[in-house]
Amino acid sequence: EVQLVESGGGLVKPGGSLTLSCAASGFTFSNAWMSWVRLAPGKGLEWVGHIESKTDGGTTDYAAPVKGRFTISRDDSKNTLYLQLNRLKTEDTAVYYCTTGLGYCSSTSCPLDYWGQGTLVTVSS
Amino acid sequence: QSVLTQPPSVSGAPGQRVTISCTGSSSNIGAGYDVHWYQQLPGIAPKLLIYGNSDRPSGVPDRFSGSKSGTSASLAITGLQAEDEADYYCQSYDSSLGGWVFGGGTKLTVL
Repeated sequence: EVQLVESGGGLVKPGGSLTLSCAASGFTFSNAWMSWVRLAPGKGLEWVGHIESKTDGGTTDYAAPVKGRFTISRDDSKNTLYLQLNRLKTEDTAVYYCTTGLGYCSSTSCPLDYWGQGTLVTVSS
Repeated sequence: QSVLTQPPSVSGAPGQRVTISCTGSSSNIGAGYDVHWYQQLPGIAPKLLIYGNSDRPSGVPDRFSGSKSGTSASLAITGLQAEDEADYYCQSYDSSLGGWVFGGGTKLTVL
């Protein structure tokens, strides 16, 4: 059974940092493209970024609002995905979901068929 | 404001058919990029409903169907049921933004 379990959310002040983790199981993690998607209060889903499998190049890509502040990385030996959030703003307050598409993925299309339960990040003074 | 425009809300009575539109442009749907659809029940992670414009993952009832034409895509739900009440999102790729994008979401109310 595929499982994605996020952790690391919490309350942080504007300008602060936080690292989210996503522990994966039930599939070959090293072959999977992994993504982060967030849901802010009262808003819709927003793609945060993704990281390719190492065999596909391991490249990361980010949405404009987080580029330069957030970093996605992976540790295939630990089956774990990370999201480093720096220079946090109040508008980064959201539930952050770890997600993956185990079918065909490319830089322009990756149906996200497995999702974690999400972890809440609150940015407030 | 997303580059993929969805109606904020739609509604229908049990048993009826509803459609949810996702309107894009020549830099996303109109460029031929795939559209995927997700259902999000309150307080639960999103679920993939339709991928590749019109394909259903195993386990998704055939009451749900997707289509694409020009710069728009649509999700149709037939035989509405109370448990279909949820938020629905379309997703595609936008070449101008250089990344994946979600529509603003549509809240479906079953009357």
